Amino acid sequence: NAGVMQNPRHLVRRRGQEARLRCSPMKGHSHVYWYRQLPEEGLKFMVYLQKENIIDESGMPKERFSAEFPKEGPSILRIQQVVRGDSAAYFCASSGLADSSYEQYFGPGTRLTVT
Amino acid sequence: QQPVQSPQAVILREGEDAVINCSSSKALYSVHWYRQKHGEAPVFLMILLKGGEQKGHEKISASFNEKKQQSSLYLTASQLSYSGTYFCGTAVNAGGTSYGKLTFGQGTILTVHP
Repeated sequence: NAGVMQNPRHLVRRRGQEARLRCSPMKGHSHVYWYRQLPEEGLKFMVYLQKENIIDESGMPKERFSAEFPKEGPSILRIQQVVRGDSAAYFCASSGLADSSYEQYFGPGTRLTVT
Repeated sequence: QQPVQSPQAVILREGEDAVINCSSSKALYSVHWYRQKHGEAPVFLMILLKGGEQKGHEKISASFNEKKQQSSLYLTASQLSYSGTYFCGTAVNAGGTSYGKLTFGQGTILTVHP
């Protein structure tokens, strides 16, 4: 029973490069949430996606950040022209239903370091 | 606006009990509790729903006061494995439903010593 998978686990990018973070939800789950965690801080909601649809991107920075969840394949969080402030742990979580009475299970996270 | 957790940190000896509180200024649909160890993913512990239903861990209990929009997590007979940072995540009540976006508190660091 595979859990939520994320890759890469660690990613180092130089300022100005692009970062692509992947998330495969738990089997049977079609709802994906991305959260960002800065060092020594809590989790901040970024975006909620269902297959082929962005439902809520109210937590995404307006520029440089985008997310998708195609019909086939993992969800991808893309950060263009990274800056040092983007260094953080990025977690995705999945759920079986679009209702917050259901558990969200988190992946192991991708730790992005921008040099 | 994020929920407020208290205390910020707790230090226990094995076998002692602890209570962690989570308070919101908004009407809540559910409260989710997670434990995170350093460098790892948050691990689901418990969901509390308006109306009193609970789902989660057998050895951990929690409460949800709908009138005050507060939740408390009760850790009894603590074990070394309980050490970590505890987060509450709240889902706002949007007309009797809520689609799953969670707003997390700042965390409570729990340290259990032998």
